Amino acid sequence: GQSLEQPSEVTAVEGAIVQINCTYQTSGFYGLSWYQQHDGGAPTFLSYNALDGLEETGRFSSFLSRSDSYGYLLLQELQMKDSASYFCAVQNYGGATNKLIFGTGTLLAVQP
Amino acid sequence: EAGVAQSPRYKIIEKRQSVAFWCNPISGHATLYWYQQILGQGPKLLIQFQNNGVVDDSQLPKDRFSAERLKGVDSTLKIQPAKLEDSAVYLCASSFGTSGYEQYFGPGTRLTVT
Repeated sequence: GQSLEQPSEVTAVEGAIVQINCTYQTSGFYGLSWYQQHDGGAPTFLSYNALDGLEETGRFSSFLSRSDSYGYLLLQELQMKDSASYFCAVQNYGGATNKLIFGTGTLLAVQP
Repeated sequence: EAGVAQSPRYKIIEKRQSVAFWCNPISGHATLYWYQQILGQGPKLLIQFQNNGVVDDSQLPKDRFSAERLKGVDSTLKIQPAKLEDSAVYLCASSFGTSGYEQYFGPGTRLTVT
């Protein structure tokens, strides 16, 4: 079967650094994407890793270890606007095409 | 560049009624996805189109859900008859190619079945 695990909630203070972990079990793994979703809003793409290592995009970085079936999203210099749900999503090769399988999400609360 | 458009934004129906959602993807995006997102969960893929052909509908409850993408552009998702457990946000997304790791989502339709 396929499964993704991430913490349900994380709390941090403004200006701090927070790491959201994601572990997965899947066949046909291709890569790991991260999405942000504000309450009542649409998911928006943040980052993607297909190879092991760290990808940096401004204040956000994402890491992947294929051998450990593990990845994380690192948010630096937290701002109040970063309060949202964060989803890891496995890019799964299904024969004809790739599809995303989303985790259950981590609700990040940034406090002043 | 215009984003993914969806309508309606909200819909309230009674169980056993039917409902339809419409999606217009970003211009030039060949791949279109319909997701169901139940409160507190991640989006769950219902169906994926490549141009106007279905490439994955393994999680679509085909006894009540149907979808089409005529002419490879906009798409319609229908539920008939609706059940209480269909209450969710229905998200449409599109991507330029087939890799699918970066998808652009519409605002969604919040469906309440009473």
